[in-house]
Amino acid sequence: GAVVSQHPSWVICKSGTSVKIECRSLDFQATTMFWYRQFPKQSLMLMATSNEGSKATYEQGVEKDKFLINHASLTLSTLTVTSAHPEDSSFYICSGAGGRANVQFFGPGTRLTVL
Amino acid sequence: AQSVTQLDSQVPVFEEAPVELRCNYSSSVSVYLFWYVQYPNQGLQLLLKYLSGSTLVKGINGFEAEFNKSQTSFHLRKPSVHISDTAEYFCAVTPPGGGSNYKLTFGKGTLLTVNP
Repeated sequence: GAVVSQHPSWVICKSGTSVKIECRSLDFQATTMFWYRQFPKQSLMLMATSNEGSKATYEQGVEKDKFLINHASLTLSTLTVTSAHPEDSSFYICSGAGGRANVQFFGPGTRLTVL
Repeated sequence: AQSVTQLDSQVPVFEEAPVELRCNYSSSVSVYLFWYVQYPNQGLQLLLKYLSGSTLVKGINGFEAEFNKSQTSFHLRKPSVHISDTAEYFCAVTPPGGGSNYKLTFGKGTLLTVNP
């Protein structure tokens, strides 16, 4: 199957700093990438959808100025958590989809802890 | 809009026993259906998918699922589970098509715990 990587796999930062998470599709072109957030023992919550070269579409209740998403190429999307606070601590997962596969392939996730 | 209901939040079974994880969906349009597995502290791995054709689909690790349109169900089964199958399982649906239509709607997940 198609492979999606995320970097870093975990990050600890101080409150008020910004953190960037990278999501890469390694062996396919992801025309659409998705960013999810997952709280412990809960399902995935879609944060935003991005198409290469376009602005991301955010789900209701997600602050677009806080969670900056860039999808500059068909293989790379980034999520920047700006001015992070402890309540932003979570597991962030990206996925990519492309072509006619009609399938999302997920990255391994990034655990963010804000102190 | 679509919704997915996973009827069991936790399913404990003994090793080598059969298991069925239940999933029902609601949608005003046709959908594609998926089962994903998530091991602790990891992302999601695709187990199997139904897009069209045969209603019985086989996936990885010995899992299979059957699409039942009249009952709007897509239950996941395995005839004999292993300890290594212990994980969280998510059922998901998406409308056909591309682009933003790839958006998945997930169920809340079922924690399968296989005991020795």
